[in-house]
Amino acid sequence: NAGVTQTPKFQVLKTGQSMTLQCAQDMNHEYMSWYRQDPGMGLRLIHYSVGAGITDQGEVPNGYNVSRSTTEDFPLRLLSAAPSQTSVYFCASSFYRGANTGELFFGEGSRLTVL
Amino acid sequence: GQNIDQPTEMTATEGAIVQINCTYQTSGFNGLFWYQQHAGEAPTFLSYNVLDGLEEKGRFSSFLSRSKGYSYLLLKELQMKDSASYLCAGPRRDSNYQLIWGAGTKLIIKP
Repeated sequence: NAGVTQTPKFQVLKTGQSMTLQCAQDMNHEYMSWYRQDPGMGLRLIHYSVGAGITDQGEVPNGYNVSRSTTEDFPLRLLSAAPSQTSVYFCASSFYRGANTGELFFGEGSRLTVL
Repeated sequence: GQNIDQPTEMTATEGAIVQINCTYQTSGFNGLFWYQQHAGEAPTFLSYNVLDGLEEKGRFSSFLSRSKGYSYLLLKELQMKDSASYLCAGPRRDSNYQLIWGAGTKLIIKP
């Protein structure tokens, strides 16, 4: 079982460049989300989705876009990279059933550096 | 807003017991999650408490008191592989779809 797959694992960008972090899950999860993790801080939610065609903003959405055209895929787009977006990014999914997110299954993470 | 506090770092001895606390700045989390994260890896789910009280799962137990805004994770018979960060998280009051996370407690196990 692949679970949640994120690519790339590492990326270096220059300020102003754009890129897409890919996330795919094969568990038929309705809920998918993107977090960033910075030293000394808790995970912060960027965007999330409760099903295909539905996305919403989290705590720190500025500078990022998402789409959810299929149940399996939830890409995160950085529109114009800034050094403040240097972070480790995690995609996470779950069997959301309305009560709360439930147990989250995380991808391995993508380490992004913006110069 | 809703905040979650955890100690930054704790040290314990192999074979011992350690309790990692998690407190809320404001009341109103509908349950609390605990995750384990080894250095350089993704978080993995440990437990979810929705009711007050202690839930035991092997060497790990988690406790919740919603009225006191307090939770703890109890790790028994510590092993070197338990060296990791432990993260607690609760659903936002205004959106169950969103979790608020503590910064994590780094647990160092010494022989």
